[in-house]
Order: sequence, then structure tokens, then C-alpha cells
Amino acid sequence: GDSVTQMEGPVTLSEEAFLTINCTYTATGYPSLFWYVQYPGEGLQLLLKATKADDKGSNKGFEATYRKETTSFHLEKGSVQVSDSAVYFCARTEGGSEKLVFGKGMKLTVNP
Amino acid sequence: NAGVMQNPRHLVRRRGQEARLRCSPMKGHSHVYWYRQLPEEGLKFMVYLQKENIIDESGMPKERFSAEFPKEGPSILRIQQVVRGDSAAYFCASSPQGDSTDTQYFGPGTRLTVL
Repeated sequence: GDSVTQMEGPVTLSEEAFLTINCTYTATGYPSLFWYVQYPGEGLQLLLKATKADDKGSNKGFEATYRKETTSFHLEKGSVQVSDSAVYFCARTEGGSEKLVFGKGMKLTVNP
Repeated sequence: NAGVMQNPRHLVRRRGQEARLRCSPMKGHSHVYWYRQLPEEGLKFMVYLQKENIIDESGMPKERFSAEFPKEGPSILRIQQVVRGDSAAYFCASSPQGDSTDTQYFGPGTRLTVL
């Protein structure tokens, strides 16, 4: 069935370290892909998205490229900050519908 | 422009009571989605509604759970006769058109605790 698999963590990094969070999906058709971030005690905020193959989403120094050939949407940031500490969720639309299928989330802690 | 509003933010109920969770979408959005987040889990889709219509309720438990989005007022997720397993964070999201490329904007969630 349709699913999203992502690194689960938790992961602890030092400030200015490089970040990669892997995300792969199974799909029929061509879903839209999203990264959402959840700060402690808050709801989810959209970080970036891509709606077709080879699209690159970017925001706040984060980037992810929609790779159809590897069915992946890995999130990267070259230099993390303490304020990036949060839980990161990869998500996709399901089939041709609007509902989102989420990965389990990865908790990131960035230490000064 | 206010974001998605949910209330209450925290709700405590005893087993057997009813829980009513409210969601006001962003202004101009007519599509509402409800998701449930169990501890240490990702979000799971529950139901998708437009004004006065349930479009997709494939993620709703068959019993005790219902949802509505009336012509006027917020969307309501109702859980009757709550059990401890219903303890979770319930998130509402809204989008303007319900298109698969749309961004869904999430509210802060309601954290339900069943004693």
C-alpha cells in the first residue's frame, strides 16, 4: 500500500552540522511531497513541498528534491541551528486525493 | 489573517464521557481535514470534509467517532463514550481548494487525555 518511510531518530547534532533526513515513499501515480516541522507543543508547519518530479522545495536553508527514479524526498540543510530543534515529518498525498500520508517523524535536537 | 483555530487546546475526559473538538479553518478555506497523532507516532488521516459534506471518512473508526462541518460555524469532531485509547493529539488542517497540490495548513491541535 501507499506509505512513507523516514529516518526515525532521535538525532542530536551540534550547531552548524550538516543535516540529512531520508524519506522514501511508495506510490501509485505521482503524489505531491511535503516536509512539515513540529516544534514542541505546537501544530505542524509546512517547511517545503514539491508537486512534480525534479522539483526542488526550499525554505529557511532546508532543501529537498523530488526524485521519481528513487522515490525519495530527502531533506537537507547545510548548517543547522539550535532553533531547528523539532520533529520533522515527511508526507505525501495519497493517490489522486488530498489526504496526507505521514512518516513517523524524526526528532532533531541541535546543541550549541 | 488568522490561521487554523482549534479549541480547546487541552481536554480531559473520563472514560464514557463525550469529547467535542472544534476547528475553524483559515479564512477563505472550505476544505477541512482531521488527523490523529498517537504518542510517538506520525499523523493518521481521519476524515475530509467540505461545507455540509463528508468527502472521505476512510480513516474514521466505525463506532463512536463522527465529524461535521456545517454551513455556519466550525467543524466538529465528536467522540462518544471515550476510552483510554482515544488519548491523542487531534489536528485539524484546512486548504483553499482541496487540490492534491494544495498546502494543508494545520492548527495547534487538541490534546485529549482520557482518564
